Amino acid sequence: DVKVTQSSRYLVKRTGEKVFLECVQDMDHENMFWYRQDPGLGLRLIYFSYDVKMKEKGDIPEGYSVSREKKERFSLILESASTNQTSMYLCASSLFSVSSYEQYFGPGTRLTVT
Amino acid sequence: ILNVEQSPQSLHVQEGDSTNFTCSFPSSNFYALHWYRWETAKSPEALFVMTLNGDEKKKGRISATLNTKEGYSYLYIKGSQPEDSATYLCASEEASGTYKYIFGTGTRLKVLA
Repeated sequence: DVKVTQSSRYLVKRTGEKVFLECVQDMDHENMFWYRQDPGLGLRLIYFSYDVKMKEKGDIPEGYSVSREKKERFSLILESASTNQTSMYLCASSLFSVSSYEQYFGPGTRLTVT
Repeated sequence: ILNVEQSPQSLHVQEGDSTNFTCSFPSSNFYALHWYRWETAKSPEALFVMTLNGDEKKKGRISATLNTKEGYSYLYIKGSQPEDSATYLCASEEASGTYKYIFGTGTRLKVLA
């Protein structure tokens, strides 16, 4: 079974702090994704990566950056956390494949910025 | 940007009832439609991926259909059980090779014992 793990289930940070959310997958997937989920909205893509050291902006990249130094690890960085970044963050991974790219998700990190 | 809509937003059914939800998506540039089940405190779990018009998939009591010409998919649950309580997400994947999904807001199902 594919396993995607996230470093924390719950996190509380203060406004202005630098925040790191870590995601690790154990199935040698090429693609990795960071989403956020807010009430009344679908999962929204922040950034994705299709290879080590490669990254692409998603639909809402403002206020975030990412790092992918190793294939299995994809980090989401909030350079200066703000209260509007309070949300549930989900990481996902998928194979690079000519067929449809099924994504496998981690359990999520609920981040509260106070 | 694609707009994926799901209805209803939430519903409560009695144990043993059958139910269904709808996912609507723009039919242009369509590549695949994904259904996920997301139980509280767990990871979203893939249920189905469908690509062809008329596709039907089944997993136990849960099944799904796809109409790419009119841009909708139905998810059916037969004989709902309390363990079916979850949020059901659909996501449309477009034929752009970008690996990107566009998610709907989900249907929150509560099955009452």
